[in-house]
Parts: sequence; structure tokens; C-alpha cells
Amino acid sequence: DQQVKQNSPSLSVQEGRISILNCDYTNSMFDYFLWYKKYPAEGPTFLISISSIKDKNEDGRFTVFLNKSAKHLSLHIVPSQPGDSAVYFCAAEDNYGQNFVFGPGTRLSVLP
Amino acid sequence: KAGVTQTPRYLIKTRGQQVTLSCSPISGHRSVSWYQQTPGQGLQFLFEYFSETQRNKGNFPGRFSGRQFSNSRSEMNVSTLELGDSALYLCASSLTSGSKEDTQYFGPGTRLTVL
Repeated sequence: DQQVKQNSPSLSVQEGRISILNCDYTNSMFDYFLWYKKYPAEGPTFLISISSIKDKNEDGRFTVFLNKSAKHLSLHIVPSQPGDSAVYFCAAEDNYGQNFVFGPGTRLSVLP
Repeated sequence: KAGVTQTPRYLIKTRGQQVTLSCSPISGHRSVSWYQQTPGQGLQFLFEYFSETQRNKGNFPGRFSGRQFSNSRSEMNVSTLELGDSALYLCASSLTSGSKEDTQYFGPGTRLTVL
């Protein structure tokens, strides 16, 4: 049973437009969420995180939105750039720090 | 500051063999976590070590084990390899353990192929 889901395996966006990557979770004990970006042949790189006490966190072109009632979060990239093309993983951690789960990833392609 | 290093980068083994992977965390980091990445399952947590003690463990069989040394370097061992163990094994380090504000820094991974 996947506790963290990313239902879109891939996404293509035109350069300069907004990229929206979605993530859903099932475990109500998750209270901290992270997004990682991964290029081929490299380890994941931390992008942005959000605590369950917030509903939005922004860092430059990256914004993460959290909807606790829907158990849904999304990552917005504005404007999208070709260098953003990578696999994006959503991850969640519970409030005991005992459970750290990644989603399956979404491959983002930003077309020039 | 040097990043997380993992050795070897690539490994080919046959079924039934065992393998040991190594991870050197960022200097000063005391927590090391291991993950398995496969195309179908994504990233799955294996275990976390902090100050030479296993703090958390994911849902993997006992064939997967690890340890951490006093210099925070960590090794992961997989015994009696199965075809399904073919994956990218990632190591991540962070300053402490259990702090949600601590960022995990990932190494480049070890690509294990089991024939």
C-alpha cells in the first residue's frame, strides 16, 4: 500500500510556463513533507519542505502548497526552465520521525 | 565541503552472493540513511544510523543489514542476493537524527546489478 502517491509518472511543460507536480498521502500521522529533484546518475537534491502547521512555503521559483484535509500537496515551479527537467520526488515523514516515505516520482520535461 | 561519497559506483554480482556498499557522509554529519531505488517502487527507506546505532529501520528482510563506524562512515550489506535486489542504493547524510529541519544530502548512489 503506497502511503505517498504521485499519480502522474510524467509531465511536459513549455519553458516559461508553470509546472504543477502533485502528491497525495494516506497516512494522517505525516506532518512534514519534502520535495526532492533527481537528475540521472545523481542522488536526489532537496528542494523545499513544508510543515503541517503551514499551508504554503515559498522559495524563489518553487512554492509548495499543503491541503491537510485533502491529504494533498503540490509543488509549483514558476517560471519553468529547461534545467528543471528532472524526476521530482515527494516525501513525507511522521511526527515520531519513524516513518520516512518517498513517492514514486514524476518526470518533468520542460520544453524550450 | 566534500559531499556524500559512495563506493563502489557500480557493482555486478550473481544470485546467492553477498555485497557490501560503503558511504562516507559529509564531514560533521552524524546521521546516515540508506535507500533503495527501483523503477517500480521508487525510493524506499532501508535504515538510518546515528552515532553507530540503528535508529530506524524500513520494511526490508533481514538479508539487508548495516552498520556505522565511529567516524560516521556507514556500510550496508546484502546477503544471499536475489535478482530483485538489483537497484540503485542511495546513502544520505544529515547533521543530526530526528530533526525535521535537518536537510538530507544524498550521495550519487551505487548501482547494483544481480545476474
